[in-house]
Amino acid sequence: GAGVSQSPSNKVTEKGKDVELRCDPISGHTALYWYRQSLGQGLEFLIYFQGNSAPDKSGLPSDRFSAERTGGSVSTLTIQRTQQEDSAVYLCASSFQRGASEQYFGPGTRLTVT
Amino acid sequence: GESVGLHLPTLSVQEGDNSIINCAYSNSASDYFIWYKQESGKGPQFIIDIRSNMDKRQGQRVTVLLNKTVKHLSLQIAATQPGDSAVYFCADYTGGGNKLTFGTGTQLKVEL
Repeated sequence: GAGVSQSPSNKVTEKGKDVELRCDPISGHTALYWYRQSLGQGLEFLIYFQGNSAPDKSGLPSDRFSAERTGGSVSTLTIQRTQQEDSAVYLCASSFQRGASEQYFGPGTRLTVT
Repeated sequence: GESVGLHLPTLSVQEGDNSIINCAYSNSASDYFIWYKQESGKGPQFIIDIRSNMDKRQGQRVTVLLNKTVKHLSLQIAATQPGDSAVYFCADYTGGGNKLTFGTGTQLKVEL
């Protein structure tokens, strides 16, 4: 079946612009995660959605970052007034259940802020 | 604080040799661990996982060892192949939390 998909695959934007990144999780997966990966670094947790529960936003680095998940499926990560330090690969993952279970990752969106 | 780290940033092995990638974790309450493989330009791919009530788990050509006494995790790859070249991440999960905590990764290079 289809895996996690993300769009766009690459995004170049000017400093100060807003960007939206999209994630389509695997059908039936109730948990959805966003991570950020800077060049040569590990994955930094951003936000987590589980079903209809309030999201865990504890990893969002600033109030310029927000995310929503509509209908328990597709998720959008929005970065307002982008800064150069926002340049990274943004990865989305989904899993069948909360917590201790395998997360399936999408290919990521490479964001470059010029 | 909670952290997961890797001992070596780069590991070079000869094709056919066994590879061992090590990882240390700091949270003694961690109860689930995963190894991921990430090839260039792709998202991380699940390799193998292990729960804290086990000390060893085997997959196809891979074995994960967990030593809770010293909070150490290792990934062993048998008969390493060129296709194994990638960055390998360990990650841990603590019960009640919502996220995996990832280490910084080890670059595995397979030399022909």
